[in-house]
Amino acid sequence: AQKITQTQPGMFVQEKEAVTLDCTYDTSDPSYGLFWYKQPSSGEMIFLIYQGSYDQQNATEGRYSLNFQKARKSANLVISASQLGDSAMYFCAMREGGISSGSARQLTFGSGTQLTVLP
Amino acid sequence: DGGITQSPKYLFRKEGQNVTLSCEQNLNHDAMYWYRQDPGQGLRLIYYSQIVNDFQKGDIAEGYSVSREKKESFPLTVTSAQKNPTAFYLCASRKSGDISNQPQHFGDGTRLSIL
Repeated sequence: AQKITQTQPGMFVQEKEAVTLDCTYDTSDPSYGLFWYKQPSSGEMIFLIYQGSYDQQNATEGRYSLNFQKARKSANLVISASQLGDSAMYFCAMREGGISSGSARQLTFGSGTQLTVLP
Repeated sequence: DGGITQSPKYLFRKEGQNVTLSCEQNLNHDAMYWYRQDPGQGLRLIYYSQIVNDFQKGDIAEGYSVSREKKESFPLTVTSAQKNPTAFYLCASRKSGDISNQPQHFGDGTRLSIL
């Protein structure tokens, strides 16, 4: 089974509007972390935001916020006031395992959502 | 500025040839990773290393090899056994320890193509 599922291959949003990019995950580990990365056409991966499984509050970083619904195993990225420079591929990723698990802490990535911001 | 440098940016391989992709970091990170990305897809883990002189296979290690002789360097060799090497390769590093919110930092990638 897919550990990270991003069901929207492509999304369009009007400049200055908000957009939500979906991410669902599958894990039986009680300790995990969820990351969102942005990949512009140039290829580099830019870290945006992190949510830990034990965090009580939804994460926020500037115009980025994470709508974390633990019971539904979803961690959707919300971008407010979209800008033309937000056009990129967005990846959701998960790291499983806590301090005692001895895990190697590698990330599992979803297939990504291509966001296009329209002027 | 600290960061991760991958070279070359573009690389072409002939049939039956081994090629080596360079990854250097000056972030003083202990853990380093290699990913492969095919068009329109997510990243898949090839190899990772948590400390010098130690590395483990990821999900798609067949046809690849790595070394970790120095903390700063984690080169990836694409061998002739890798029959479909055309892809975008990304190197990443991460601060060590059990602080779970530490993200991986990525280089700018190397695009490998078959001649």
